[in-house]
Amino acid sequence: KAGVTQTPRYLIKTRGQQVTLSCSPISGHRSVSWYQQTPGQGLQFLFEYFSETQRNKGNFPGRFSGRQFSNSRSEMNVSTLELGDSALYLCASSPSVGTRGTQYFGPGTRLTVL
Amino acid sequence: QQQVKQSPQSLIVQKGGISIINCAYENTAFDYFPWYQQFPGKGPALLIAIRPDVSEKKEGRFTISFNKSATQFSVHIMESQRGDSATYFCAASINYGGATNKLIFGTGTLLAVQP
Repeated sequence: KAGVTQTPRYLIKTRGQQVTLSCSPISGHRSVSWYQQTPGQGLQFLFEYFSETQRNKGNFPGRFSGRQFSNSRSEMNVSTLELGDSALYLCASSPSVGTRGTQYFGPGTRLTVL
Repeated sequence: QQQVKQSPQSLIVQKGGISIINCAYENTAFDYFPWYQQFPGKGPALLIAIRPDVSEKKEGRFTISFNKSATQFSVHIMESQRGDSATYFCAASINYGGATNKLIFGTGTLLAVQP
């Protein structure tokens, strides 16, 4: 099976712009979670989707949003980018919710905000 | 308290030696404790995981030790190899009745295995 795919892999934006990141889960997986990874804060949970519904949300401002489509693909959007949003954004897919032992991470999207 | 504290921040071990990384938590509702390995340019990959009803779990050269009363857990990497050089993250999770896959991660340990 192909792994989790994230596009684009690298992205450079300027402050104030918005960005959309995409995640394609492993075939058959219906749960997608997003994490932000930075050197200072480590990996922090952003949100989780299952069957097109947001199941859980981390402690991030409303500028961070996401959605999931009927084919389980997910996107996250960050509006009004700030310098502090520079990070590696990771997507993890899982067959369902409550299947924590079968979460697989993608390679991430490296976002740089100038 | 939804935090997991991880130490050390970095670790240098000689090839063939034992690498030990420790984590501590406060929220006793956590019921699943995985360890992830991350190589540069890659996403984290699940190494091994343990639940609170088990004190030790071994998979190959990797062993998790879990101390429920001390709310601490650790991973031991036996016979460390150059290919083990990576960043290691501990994590914790609460089941919430099977409603979420959310993980709380430690801050990571950069392991370098020297020849």
